[in-house]
Amino acid sequence: QVQLQQSGSGLVKPSQTLSLTCVISGDSVSSDSAAWNWIRQSPSRGLEWLGRTYYRSKWYNDYAVSVKSRITINPDTPKNQFSLQLNSVTPEDTAMYYCAREGMSGSYPYYYHYGMDVWGQGTTVTVSS
Amino acid sequence: QSALTQPASVSGSPGQSITISCTGTSSDVGGYHYVSWYQQHPGKAPKLMIYDVGNRPSGVSDRFSGSKSGNTASLTISGLQAEDEADYYCSSYTRSSTLVFGGGTKLTVL
Repeated sequence: QVQLQQSGSGLVKPSQTLSLTCVISGDSVSSDSAAWNWIRQSPSRGLEWLGRTYYRSKWYNDYAVSVKSRITINPDTPKNQFSLQLNSVTPEDTAMYYCAREGMSGSYPYYYHYGMDVWGQGTTVTVSS
Repeated sequence: QSALTQPASVSGSPGQSITISCTGTSSDVGGYHYVSWYQQHPGKAPKLMIYDVGNRPSGVSDRFSGSKSGNTASLTISGLQAEDEADYYCSSYTRSSTLVFGGGTKLTVL
């Protein structure tokens, strides 16, 4: 079955860059029926969708407005994984971060969405000096 | 993009039915058939319970059902069981090609 394994730093200093990786097993980051998402959760902000990457003849990204100026989600095809980079972090970025697979079929720009059915184990990230 | 509106808490006794609402706008819930519901137990990752308003993934009990009317989606759990006690979140696709979550509802089984 499909599994997602997260890794990355749990402690980041303010103004620095948060970096996390999500390794995929049982599926492909280049799948034409999936998108690969990052979501975070904190007591103050609840669940917050951050963005996704997906491949449909070429790579596409969608990002939440709230982090659009600071976020990059990159696929790594040889390693079958995808990553999250969030720049210029502040204590407000302290949260549990999850990666997740979203079922998504169709061709740009018309897609069907089937929810996020596989999640990583979560990584607690603290922004503190 | 504002979060979808859910009640903070609901409760019910074993065997009863409960409904959790999720209110958005015509730019998200009301405009698309892509509403999902997630169950989250303490310390665990969310689990997909409903997708596309009313479809259940394989393995999810048929006690869980979803519907939508206008800008409001609903999750109904029938025949409440102790194991259903958890937090529930709705999510919707939006006009901006993004996803938005609700604030979450804590379900207590009395």
